[in-house]
Formats: sequence, structure tokens, C-alpha cells
Amino acid sequence: DAGITQSPRHKVTETGTPVTLRCHQTENHRYMYWYRQDPGHGLRLIHYSYGVKDTDKGEVSDGYSVSRSKTEDFLLTLESATSSQTSVYFCAISEKGQSYGYTFGSGTRLTVV
Amino acid sequence: DAKTTQPNSMESNEEEPVHLPCNHSTISGTDYIHWYRQLPSQGPEYVIHGLTSNVNNRMASLAIAEDRKSSTLILHRATLRDAAVYYCILRVPYSGGGADGLTFGKGTHLIIQP
Repeated sequence: DAGITQSPRHKVTETGTPVTLRCHQTENHRYMYWYRQDPGHGLRLIHYSYGVKDTDKGEVSDGYSVSRSKTEDFLLTLESATSSQTSVYFCAISEKGQSYGYTFGSGTRLTVV
Repeated sequence: DAKTTQPNSMESNEEEPVHLPCNHSTISGTDYIHWYRQLPSQGPEYVIHGLTSNVNNRMASLAIAEDRKSSTLILHRATLRDAAVYYCILRVPYSGGGADGLTFGKGTHLIIQP
């Protein structure tokens, strides 16, 4: 499946270091989302974007920042990684409106040691 | 937030139909019912969605109750590749107003026996 790719697929980093995850889309969709998935919690929204330079917080945004300087890229940054941010991160894209589905990326598995 | 209730797990046999139920008694008139599934070690995958009428696509069918308080995802002939967690989600606008959002619950873990 083309359309949405996440990089890197796996990363191990040390506590206190900055980390940036990238989501790239080729669908020209307006909306992009970052979720994290942890055992016992399911998928939770971190941040989302509704256009270039337009972003907003989700349910679990503390410790994360995002940027979207062009339509196709949505970056998630952990300014100072902590062990509690060890998780699988998924990016998703969609068009506006409740009649549209989401397309998810394959995920990035991040381990903070 | 509008919530859905699904069984934690269900088991079915290969090549038999599977009916996955979802209750959403607090659904609003404009909320769409979405279904996604997540195979092991993969991201969620869109399955189907609907508003009021029953819907069919190549993957599944969605049957929506007349009062819209419940729905059923139907896999007509399950295969081993259908073993996944299935999420029933109401697509509602976020209070921030910037975008619609999906709130995932725990879903139903579907087990397919050969």
C-alpha cells in the first residue's frame, strides 16, 4: 500500500534525548493524525493537523510537539524522551468529514531506555 | 464522547459467517458508524462505515439497527487472515472544531479456528 509511510520503523533511544518521527503521505489529504498504542490503553490521539501549520492537541499531548510545514509531511517530536513514551506510534490521514475513513501507516516502534 | 460497547472476544470457524456486534446507545443523529480492524503487528485498517442504511463492500457488510443504537459487522466467510481486533467507532467532531476524530475503544478480538 502506498499513500502513507512512517519512518523510522523501529528506534531505540536514550532517556532525555530528542526524537523525531516522520509521517509522509502522497494522497494530498488535509488531515493528519498521530496516535500511540500501548497495551491496556488501545490507540490514543496525541496531536492532529487540519492543514499546513494548523495543528491541535489530542488526548495525550504532554511531552510531544508536532509540525506540518507542507501538506505531505507531519512530524512528531519528543523533546526529551522518557521511558513512559516507549510505545508504538501510528500516523493516519483523512479527508474532512465523518463520511471519510482513515488510512493508517504501519507504525513506528519506539523504545526509550 | 459517544461510546461503543463490544464483546472482548469472539471465536468462529474458518469459512463460516461472523457477526460482530456493537452497541452505541448514545449515538447522535449525525454520527457515522465506522469499523476498523487491526491485524497483529500492523496499523488499523478501514473496513466499512455507514450512517443509517446497511452497507456492503468487498470486505464486509454493515447492518445498522433502525434506531441506530446498535450495528453488526458481518464477515460473510471468515478466513484465517480475518483474525484481528475489530473496532467499532463513532466518528464525531472534536470539541476543538478543527477536525473530526476517531476515539478507539478496546475492540473485539476475533479468533478464527481452522
